[in-house]
Amino acid sequence: ETGVTQSPTHLIKTRGQQVTLRCSSQSGHNTVSWYQQALGQGPQFIFQYYREEENGRGNFPPRFSGLQFPNYSSELNVNALELDDSALYLCASSSGQALYGYTFGSGTRLTVV
Amino acid sequence: AQSVTQLGSHVSVSEGALVLLRCNYSSSVPPYLFWYVQYPNQGLQLLLKYTSAATLVKGINGFEAEFKKSETSFHLTKPSAHMSDAAEYFCAVIPNRDDKIIFGKGTRLHILP
Repeated sequence: ETGVTQSPTHLIKTRGQQVTLRCSSQSGHNTVSWYQQALGQGPQFIFQYYREEENGRGNFPPRFSGLQFPNYSSELNVNALELDDSALYLCASSSGQALYGYTFGSGTRLTVV
Repeated sequence: AQSVTQLGSHVSVSEGALVLLRCNYSSSVPPYLFWYVQYPNQGLQLLLKYTSAATLVKGINGFEAEFKKSETSFHLTKPSAHMSDAAEYFCAVIPNRDDKIIFGKGTRLHILP
């Protein structure tokens, strides 16, 4: 069991730029979800991928997009960054339905200036 | 919409004292309920989960939670607090087995020496 690895751990971007965050899921986990955790808040669901297809999306604009790859890795892309996008972005993977529990990565801290 | 409410954004207890973190859920049917812990600069770690089996659920690190349908509650307890329990705790719900995880806003637990 290798766990969930996210990169980079910290990132500073300028408003209007684009960013790609990466996640390497636990081996055998075919479901990956991304969450945004603003300071002092609980994680908010962005979207979920199952076998490389998006199968659920939270209340986030289309400039938040993602990809999942066959090797259990995934990406979160954010275009036209805004100051309010500053947050901790968490990747979580699961081998099945959400009720079995997710394994979370340590997150990427994104700061938009 | 389904949600969880955590009472108290900050809770302080003395080392060795009882820990009680409160969580209430809104759901018309018994949901799946979770408690996660987040240590500084880390991702979320699953403490325990309720998936419609026993109402008293035991988790890691001596924590347990009791599902009370009549009170729509899922409070987290630990008989004796330890300094290492200082962290942020999140109550979460999955309204049905195919749904995403919805997190509460979190409760920061402080342990006083």
